[in-house]
Amino acid sequence: AQTVTQSQPEMSVQEAETVTLSCTYDTSENNYYLFWYKQPPSRQMILVIRQEAYKQQNATENRFSVNFQKAAKSFSLKISDSQLGDTAMYFCAFMKLRNYGQNFVFGPGTRLSVLP
Amino acid sequence: DVKVTQSSRYLVKRTGEKVFLECVQDMDHENMFWYRQDPGLGLRLIYFSYDVKMKEKGDIPEGYSVSREKKERFSLILESASTNQTSMYLCASREVTNEKLFFGSGTQLSVL
Repeated sequence: AQTVTQSQPEMSVQEAETVTLSCTYDTSENNYYLFWYKQPPSRQMILVIRQEAYKQQNATENRFSVNFQKAAKSFSLKISDSQLGDTAMYFCAFMKLRNYGQNFVFGPGTRLSVLP
Repeated sequence: DVKVTQSSRYLVKRTGEKVFLECVQDMDHENMFWYRQDPGLGLRLIYFSYDVKMKEKGDIPEGYSVSREKKERFSLILESASTNQTSMYLCASREVTNEKLFFGSGTQLSVL
């Protein structure tokens, strides 16, 4: 079974600074996706960034980028120029490909606070 | 934008009651999911459905059942609510082309 670990339950960062959230996963699969989801205080979970395992290039979405190390099974999220609106729970998630339907496996989450 | 709507934001029920949590999506997605979110445990899959009337157990199905009579609606049923089912429940639907999950705003259920 796949597992996803986020070793940092809570983190804080000053506004405008950079922060990195770590994620490791365990799988024997070769083809899969990795995700970072954000859950702000409004509870609405939204996708931040996605990485396909077959792609060597790290995904980037504006101020958000990942460091994907397939051999090490590591998938960290870097947030640059942190903003107050980045305050949220961040969940790392793994998805393997199946014939029908998919199951996403989520980590326990990291609570990020951006301080003014 | 895809919209996933959960019928209740907060719900308080008594032990032994039958509880229905409703979820509706408006984008014709085939796959829908029910997750339970607890502090320190992340999201755990209860059930998912890959088509109308088709369902599959997730990691923690005990004490729950689901119903999917129409494509847009996926219901989670607690047959006899217990205090250990107090939790946040999140519904999601999956967009295949982008491998993206769209979530509802969650239902915080308290069982007293």
